[in-house]
Parts: sequence; C-alpha cells; structure tokens
Amino acid sequence: GAGVSQSPSNKVTEKGKDVELRCDPISGHTALYWYRQSLGQGLEFLIYFQGNSAPDKSGLPSDRFSAERTGGSVSTLTIQRTQQEDSAVYLCASSFPRGGGYEQYFGPGTRLTVT
Amino acid sequence: DQQVKQNSPSLSVQEGRISILNCDYTNSMFDYFLWYKKYPAEGPTFLISISSIKDKNEDGRFTVFLNKSAKHLSLHIVPSQPGDSAVYFCAARGSSGSARQLTFGSGTQLTVLP
Repeated sequence: GAGVSQSPSNKVTEKGKDVELRCDPISGHTALYWYRQSLGQGLEFLIYFQGNSAPDKSGLPSDRFSAERTGGSVSTLTIQRTQQEDSAVYLCASSFPRGGGYEQYFGPGTRLTVT
Repeated sequence: DQQVKQNSPSLSVQEGRISILNCDYTNSMFDYFLWYKKYPAEGPTFLISISSIKDKNEDGRFTVFLNKSAKHLSLHIVPSQPGDSAVYFCAARGSSGSARQLTFGSGTQLTVLP
C-alpha cells in the first residue's frame, strides 16, 4: 500500500447524523491535509496537520467539523449533525515537504451524501 | 474571493493537437504552482510544477509556463492524447507561515477527441 487510502469510499447518511471519515497517509509523510470538492466546484481546503504542530483549522466551514490525527499518522475527519450542504467528495492528501518539493499525494476520496 | 481562477470550465481538442489550459492568480505571495489531473472517482494526481523563480518547466509532453507579472500560468500538452481527457486543476502554494495548503482553481475539463 504505497498510496493514500481513505475509507469508506462512499457514505450515505441521514441529515442530523454524525459521520467519521478516515485517512491513511503515505508512510513517512509528515503533512496531512483534508479538502472537499462539492459538485462543480474546485477543491476547498479544510484542515492541515504538520508533524506535532497545532493543526491549521482555518478552512473548517463550521464547528460541526473537526479532525484529529493520531500518532502522526491516521487521521479522522468528523462531521457532526450533518446537513445536506455537507454532501461532497472529501479528499485527503499527504506530503513530505522538503527540498522545495511540495507535491501533495491524494487519496481516492470519500463521497458523502446527506439525505 | 477566488485566489486561483480557471476561467474555462471545459476545453475540447483534437488528438495530436496542442491543449492549452490557463490559470490566473491574485495572491502575489504564491511562490510555487502545480498542476493536477483528476479522473472520475479518483483523487487528483500530481502532474507538473513550477517555482516562481522560473518561467518554464517541461516534462515530456507537458510544459508549464509562468508569467509572474501577469499572474498567469498555463499548461501545454502536446501532442494531446485521448488518455489526457480529465479535469485539470491549477494549484498554488503560499510562501510562509501556515499557508502550506494548496489553493486550487475550480478545474478545467479537457476532452481530447480521437
């Protein structure tokens, strides 16, 4: 498993329920990002983890959204009391920023549908 | 406030011809630019990048041009192939502080016609 993996690949939930999305970054990558892509839109930054530093949460759209990264590896994005506007593809990416290379490697995404 | 703009949502090109995808940005603090390609049901994959100290970077059929004064970059694909059909995202990175995340454009759907 050399790439970024995400689970589940698809999630359908009822409005008001909580959901958890998981991301397994590439081994050794110290940076982890969450983005979301709504229908017809570009990628919207949500949150960024770098090593042991405090995460950059500046992109989280509301306090219903939270994320954690345990042990500097796996990350979970939690959306509480889901709303229909939360429906989107949630993408996780990881990188190992050094020497000027800032490429981020993306997982396949989790398609969230809130009914 | 879109800091990275891709004004063409779609582009169709004949196989073998050149594809030119454009991207404009407004933040002069961006110092690194990337292009990603995305197929349906997959995550974006990195294609090519350019640092702000350069004006051109070439990798096989793909060339990225950066015009800093115009805050404009473009991706040239030549010759275009049907397998190049995908959504192409332009992205930019801030130079310091917590601005490590990439700011993405809204994407351009490229269709290469056989």
